[in-house]
Amino acid sequence: EADIYQTPRYLVIGTGKKITLECSQTMGHDKMYWYQQDPGMELHLIHYSYGVNSTEKGDLSSESTVSRIRTEHFPLTLESARPSHTSQYLCASSTGASYNSPLHFGNGTRLTVT
Amino acid sequence: KQEVTQIPAALSVPEGENLVLNCSFTDSAIYNLQWFRQDPGKGLTSLLLIQSSQREQTSGRLNASLDKSSGRSTLYIAASQPGDSATYLCAVYNTNAGKSTFGDGTTLTVKP
Repeated sequence: EADIYQTPRYLVIGTGKKITLECSQTMGHDKMYWYQQDPGMELHLIHYSYGVNSTEKGDLSSESTVSRIRTEHFPLTLESARPSHTSQYLCASSTGASYNSPLHFGNGTRLTVT
Repeated sequence: KQEVTQIPAALSVPEGENLVLNCSFTDSAIYNLQWFRQDPGKGLTSLLLIQSSQREQTSGRLNASLDKSSGRSTLYIAASQPGDSATYLCAVYNTNAGKSTFGDGTTLTVKP
């Protein structure tokens, strides 16, 4: 079982609030990713990181930001939540040692913005 | 741009049946292909990873094959069980992009 944790598991919040979704992994993985997934839909990469102080935007335009100050921690922040941000957010990691290392996922954060 | 397609979108089978899920991709310059399982409202659980140099991988009742030149992979599930009911996703890790592209998934229902 992969050791990657996301908190909170569920979040219901009002429009305009600032929120941070937490993601931590204890495997020492260099690469970390944030995906957004709407119900019954495919995963879209919104941010990724190849290591400390490295962050990149993914394929899907997102109003969120990320930081990577420590290897094990990759939080995602929304400065002002809107109903269009309602979705499931999945964090993943993989070791940077090989391109053939598998992706490990957390259980996700289901965000509802009212 | 890599595109990943999974067919069928949904599949319902009786318990005990063998079944095949399909995944196709447009850009064959991949490092690996990974199959995942996702239960409703949960994250993804890795099932199998096939490196680009490999033809297949097996884990228990699961067997995944890869034909990189034709851009196809299959996931074979033997003797299906109700507990296998979930959405199955494939993802390809591209050489150039440095990240994975996911298919839409196949939702499998195994009826007792």
